[in-house]
Parts: sequence; structure tokens; C-alpha cells
Amino acid sequence: GQQLNQSPQSMFIQEGEDVSMNCTSSSIFNTWLWYKQEPGEGPVLLIALYKAGELTSNGRLTAQFGITRKDSFLNISASIPSDVGIYFCAGQSGGSNYKLTFGKGTLLTVNP
Amino acid sequence: GAVVSQHPSRVICKSGTSVKIECRSLDFQATTMFWYRQFPKQSLMLMATSNEGSKATYEQGVEKDKFLINHASLTLSTLTVTSAHPEDSSFYICSARVSGGRGYGYTFGSGTRLTVV
Repeated sequence: GQQLNQSPQSMFIQEGEDVSMNCTSSSIFNTWLWYKQEPGEGPVLLIALYKAGELTSNGRLTAQFGITRKDSFLNISASIPSDVGIYFCAGQSGGSNYKLTFGKGTLLTVNP
Repeated sequence: GAVVSQHPSRVICKSGTSVKIECRSLDFQATTMFWYRQFPKQSLMLMATSNEGSKATYEQGVEKDKFLINHASLTLSTLTVTSAHPEDSSFYICSARVSGGRGYGYTFGSGTRLTVV
């Protein structure tokens, strides 16, 4: 099946630093989604990308849909302690099953 | 925005009993819902796709007689873990596909922590 390679697996940064994480795939996706999950909760959508090359921002977050449709990155600028959590990328390849493929997640720790 | 409500948030049950988890779309109709299982420090693993008015589609390796899915209305899907055993203890999350102006997204419930003792 399809697989997403998400990196890095974890990050330990100081408050105020910028963060970058990315996902790559061997196959094409039509939609890229970035989620944040906090302990004991379901994932919450951060940014949705629907078009190759699209660059979208949501506050301090910026994500891009790679031009090859096989990758995406998420940047967080000026990190704050509440950014702590696990960030997942997810891709949807089209077709009638609408299934999402998830990356393995990036655990972000922000030191005040 | 689209909200998915999942209940219960936590449940503890005895081995051999069955547990039902509900997933409701509160302000939209969801013809397709998804059920995931998540182990600690791991990603979400899709178990099955729930389709309103028809049988669920299970992923390879997921026992359909063990994890019964019913999607009887456009706003409710249920997952029943039958004859639960300790190895079924996990975090279960539902999701619904939501159509929007630019495309579609996926909204997740808040998850159910199942502990089988």
C-alpha cells in the first residue's frame, strides 16, 4: 500500500525557534493535509492543500503541496510552548474510497 | 465548522464483554466515516470505512466479526468491539469526510480510550 515518510520523527526546540517538517511519498497524492494531535485527543486539521505547488498559511503555520505531488512540508514560525504535540501529514490519492494515508508523525517539544 | 462527536471518551470493560463506540456528525451529513486505531506513540491505522446504508469496508487484517460497524443514518456510525480482550485495548478514533468549497477535508472525533481488563 501507499506509505508516507515523515521526518523528523521528533524535535526538541527552544521557544521562538522556527520548525520545519516534511513528508514524502513514492506515489502521487491529490490532497495533502496536516494535523496536530495532543495527548488523549483526536487529530485537529491545521492546513489542507488541494493543488500542486499551493502554498497556504494559517497564522504562524505555512504548508506547501509539492509540485511533483509526492511531497509536502509544514513550517511553524516563532514556536511557543502550546505548539507541543504530534504533527501528522496525511495524503489522499483520489478515487472513490477517499481513504487517507498518514505519516508516522513528528513529536514536537518546545522548551520555554 | 464541521464537528464530529465521539462517545464515550473513555471506557473500561471486562474481558469477554462488548463495547459500543458512537461517532456523530453534528452539523453535517456524513455518507462516509472512517474508524482508526492508534497505539501509543504510533500513527493512526485505518480499520474500516463506514458507508451509510451499506456494509463497511474493512482493511486487510481487521476482523469484521470482531469490530462490527453500523452506519444506519447520515449522522451516526457505531463501532462495536465484540468479546473484547486485553489486546483490544487501544485508542479508537472516528473521522468523517466533509465536502467544502475548495475540496474536501476530514474531521476527527476526540477519540475513545478503551481499556479491557
